[in-house]
Amino acid sequence: TQLLEQSPQFLSIQEGENLTVYCNSSSVFSSLQWYRQEPGEGPVLLVTVVTGGEVKKLKRLTFQFGDARKDSSLHITAAQPGDTGLYLCAGRNNQGGKLIFGQGTELSVKP
Amino acid sequence: DTGVSQDPRHKITKRGQNVTFRCDPISEHNRLYWYRQTLGQGPEFLTYFQNEAQLEKSRLLSDRFSAERPKGSFSTLEIQRTEQGDSAMYLCAREGLSNTGELFFGEGSRLTVL
Repeated sequence: TQLLEQSPQFLSIQEGENLTVYCNSSSVFSSLQWYRQEPGEGPVLLVTVVTGGEVKKLKRLTFQFGDARKDSSLHITAAQPGDTGLYLCAGRNNQGGKLIFGQGTELSVKP
Repeated sequence: DTGVSQDPRHKITKRGQNVTFRCDPISEHNRLYWYRQTLGQGPEFLTYFQNEAQLEKSRLLSDRFSAERPKGSFSTLEIQRTEQGDSAMYLCAREGLSNTGELFFGEGSRLTVL
C-alpha cells in the first residue's frame, strides 16, 4: 500500500516567516501534485512535478520533487495570512492509477 | 471554476436513511473520481470511472456504497442505511488531460448523519 506522510501536520506562524512542508514516501511516484484547500471547499491544484530533482516556483511558493521521486517539499517565503489553509500532497504511481493523498498540513498564518 | 458541480452541497440525514450525491463534470472527461474526506484529513479514495466503467473501488467501502456513471458523463454516489461514521465531505473530481493524474475537484457534498 502506497502511503504519503506529510510533516508537520500543524503549523502556526507569524506573517513574514518562512516555512517548509514535507511529503515523504517509500514508494516511487510518476508524478506528484500539491493542492491547497480552504474550509468547506474542494482542494485546488497548485502544481504538478514529474521529473526527479525538478523545482517549480509559483510566486512565493517553491516546490521540489526528490531525485528518486519518493518525496517532495513545499517552501513558502514571507508567508501571508492569505496562505492559511490545508496543504495536501498527492502522488500517482507508475501504473497510472488513482491519486493517493497525504494527510495534509494545516497552516495558520497570523497577522 | 474547476468544471465540476456537486449536488447537494449539504445533506443532513438520520441514521438508517439512504442518500445520493450527484457529480456533473463540465464535459465528458474520461476519468471521474470520488473521494471522502473527514475534518483535517486528506481525501481518501473511494472509486473511479473511465467513461462509464468503474475501474477501481476501495476496499474501505462497504456494500452500502454504490456509484454509477451510466452514460460516461455525470455520476452518482449512493449510501444506503447511513451510519454516523459516514459523516464526511464527499468530493468528486475530474482528471485533467495532461495524463499526470491532475485532479480538478468540485466543492464537495457535506454529509451529516444524526
